Amino acid sequence: QQQVKQSPQSLIVQKGGISIINCAYENTAFDYFPWYQQFPGKGPALLIAIRPDVSEKKEGRFTISFNKSAKQFSLHIMDSQPGDSATYFCAASTRAGNTGKLIFGQGTTLQVKP
Amino acid sequence: DTAVSQTPKYLVTQMGNDKSIKCEQNLGHDTMYWYKQDSKKFLKIMFSYNNKELIINETVPNRFSPKSPDKAHLNLHINSLELGDSAVYFCASSQVISILASNNERQFFGPGTRLTVL
Repeated sequence: QQQVKQSPQSLIVQKGGISIINCAYENTAFDYFPWYQQFPGKGPALLIAIRPDVSEKKEGRFTISFNKSAKQFSLHIMDSQPGDSATYFCAASTRAGNTGKLIFGQGTTLQVKP
Repeated sequence: DTAVSQTPKYLVTQMGNDKSIKCEQNLGHDTMYWYKQDSKKFLKIMFSYNNKELIINETVPNRFSPKSPDKAHLNLHINSLELGDSAVYFCASSQVISILASNNERQFFGPGTRLTVL
């Protein structure tokens, strides 16, 4: 049972374009939704995160849009750059239980062409 | 200074062997994790320790035994290695604070250990 579903699996965008990655979740107890960025040969690193009390969060070129009723959230990368080429993971967790357990989506490999 | 470090970075071994991966964090976090990333890049949590106490065990075969000698270290020992154990293993740490406190659940990941079982 995949609790967090991510799409697309891969994405090719031209430099300067907008990259959009979507995620959907099932567990309504989730209350923390981070996005992680992973470059080849490296560990994932937190990019941006959102809580369900807001519908959008923006940090530089990266924006999370959150739709609580639809149980969906997405990452938008504006003005995509070749340096953004990486694998992106959405994730979800709940503070209940105090475990910090993250459930990851399947990942999206983004390639930004010069 | 590396926040979360793992050794070794690469591990190639024969089926049936026993091996260990070490992890250390210098962030002062109270919670550490082991994740497995398979060949399709899917990341799945295996274990989590909070202040040396096991709090998550995600139906991992008992050939895998985590050990936390102190809050800053979480090692992973694997017995009787199988071909299917080949993957990249990531250690991570975070400061898991109670629901009433601030919201800093950010997990810091190590560089990974690529395990290849022949």
